[in-house]
Amino acid sequence: AQSVTQPDIHITVSEGASLELRCNYSYGATPYLFWYVQSPGQGLQLLLKYFSGDTLVQGIKGFEAEFKRSQSSFNLRKPSVHWSDAAEYFCAVGANFGNEKLTFGTGTRLTIIP
Amino acid sequence: KAGVTQTPRYLIKTRGQQVTLSCSPISGHRSVSWYQQTPGQGLQFLFEYFSETQRNKGNFPGRFSGRQFSNSRSEMNVSTLELGDSALYLCASGGAGDTQYFGPGTRLTVL
Repeated sequence: AQSVTQPDIHITVSEGASLELRCNYSYGATPYLFWYVQSPGQGLQLLLKYFSGDTLVQGIKGFEAEFKRSQSSFNLRKPSVHWSDAAEYFCAVGANFGNEKLTFGTGTRLTIIP
Repeated sequence: KAGVTQTPRYLIKTRGQQVTLSCSPISGHRSVSWYQQTPGQGLQFLFEYFSETQRNKGNFPGRFSGRQFSNSRSEMNVSTLELGDSALYLCASGGAGDTQYFGPGTRLTVL
């Protein structure tokens, strides 16, 4: 069965500092991997996705993620965070371009301090 | 292109009642999925429809059901509501060779 682990429940970083959110997955076949962001009371917005090819993928809002098959990881990074990045971040894995069932991690809540 | 829309955005029901939530996918998308989000269980997959057929189903009781219409719009129904059904219900639509895009959700409160 597929699963996603986000080991950090809550992370606090200073504005302008770099950020890395961790994600580990378990999946029997070639994974389709995603990062979504959710602001309070809102739906999920897709930040970026990995289907195949280059293991470093670029997303919106200056985010990037690196797929490491040997470590079963898909960590999200941003070189310099902005106050508006405060939100909850979810890593997900799925099949068929993520077009069907997605399995989500438990999320990481990001707090930005001035 | 308009995004995924969900109606209503907020709903308050009492135990034992039933509720119907609606989702209109992005134009051209034929896959619609539903998820339940709660603080305790996180994001859980309910079911997915493609061309009016249920293609995948999560581990939820039979009180949770859904359907998809020929225009790809989807509804989900929860019968005999329980307090534990209080949640944010998210709908997502997907296109061929593409991933899912989520709507803003319907916040259901069961009293």
